[in-house]
Order: sequence, then structure tokens, then C-alpha cells
Amino acid sequence: GAVVSQHPSRVICKSGTSVKIECRSLDFQATTMFWYRQFPKQSLMLMATSNEGSKATYEQGVEKDKFLINHASLTLSTLTVTSAHPEDSSFYICSATDRRTNSPLHFGNGTRLTVT
Amino acid sequence: LAKTTQPISMDSYEGQEVNITCSHNNIATNDYITWYQQFPSQGPRFIIQGYKTKVTNEVASLFIPADRKSSTLSLPRVSLSDTAVYYCLVGDGDSNYQLIWGAGTKLIIKP
Repeated sequence: GAVVSQHPSRVICKSGTSVKIECRSLDFQATTMFWYRQFPKQSLMLMATSNEGSKATYEQGVEKDKFLINHASLTLSTLTVTSAHPEDSSFYICSATDRRTNSPLHFGNGTRLTVT
Repeated sequence: LAKTTQPISMDSYEGQEVNITCSHNNIATNDYITWYQQFPSQGPRFIIQGYKTKVTNEVASLFIPADRKSSTLSLPRVSLSDTAVYYCLVGDGDSNYQLIWGAGTKLIIKP
């Protein structure tokens, strides 16, 4: 089945630093990638939608200058958390799909970010 | 905006059939209804998707009535390893490509 690789799986960083999370589709072309945040015992919350070659569309309340998303190719999207603060500590998950084929979303295994 | 409703939690026992229903209104008329399973600290895993009537694969069945205002995920003969959170996912009827998640149902399987 389709595989999405997300890296790193866990990262601890100091307050004020930036962290980059990568999301790769390994065996299909991802026209669209989604980035989610999930707090403990809560549902996934969509942060932004990115279509390859276009600027990401951010959900209300998500700061685009803080959460930089790049989707420059059909197999790679990155999320950079800039100037991270402890309240940014969360579980970040990406998903990818090829909207041309209406394929289901395939998810990465998530990145647990801890900001100290 | 589409709205979804799922039970917060359910309990069952090994070997039983479990049905989890998601109510959803104002969903996209041309989009699939999809269910995912999520274990702690992992990304959601695709289980099954359907458009209408009944779909079955090797792990589950999905029942969708003609009005598509709900969908029921059926897990036959559950085991302890099926303990997880189950999410329904639908397309929003008011906007293109907007996807709406259910809040998730925490399923606990007991021996």
C-alpha cells in the first residue's frame, strides 16, 4: 500500500529555535498534503493544506509565518515551526493524497515535538 | 460546514462484532466517506472508504444509507489489538477539498 514517511518521529528543542519536519510520499505522487496537530486525547486538527507548487492554505487561527509549509515537489512537503515555544509542543502529523485519483489519505507516523 | 458526530467511547469483548456509527450532515455529494484507525503516538491508518451502500474489505465493512447522513463501521470478531481510536472523515458540502474529521471514538476491547 501507499507509504508516507515522516521525519523525525520525535524532536526536543529549546524555546526560540526552529524545527523542520519532513513528509515524503514514497510510492505515489502527492498532489495535496495536509498538516495536522493533535493534542493529547483530542482529534486531529487541520493546520494547513498544501497543493504542489502552490502556497499553502492555512486554517483559521494558524499563523502562516510561524508554521512555514513548503510543497515544492510531488513527493515532499516540509513544515517548519519557527521560533518554537512550549505551547507548540504537540504531535504533528502529515497526510498525502493524489487528488487526481481521489485516493484516500495516507498518513505519516507523526512527529512528537517537545519545546523546552 | 459539514458536521460529524461519533460516540466518544465504546467497550466490547474479544470475538464480538463492533459497530461504530458516525452521523454527518452537509457532506460533499461526490466524495467518499472514509474511516481511520489510530493507535497512540501514531498517524491514523486507513481502514475503509465507501460512497454508498455497503463496502467490505479484509478488515471491516462500511454501511452507508442512501441519504449518506451517516455511516457505520463494522469490525467483525474484534481482538484486543483493535483497541484504538476510530475516526470518520467526510468531505465538506460547502467547500471544495475541505475535509472534516469526526472527533473520534475510543474503542476498548476487553478479554
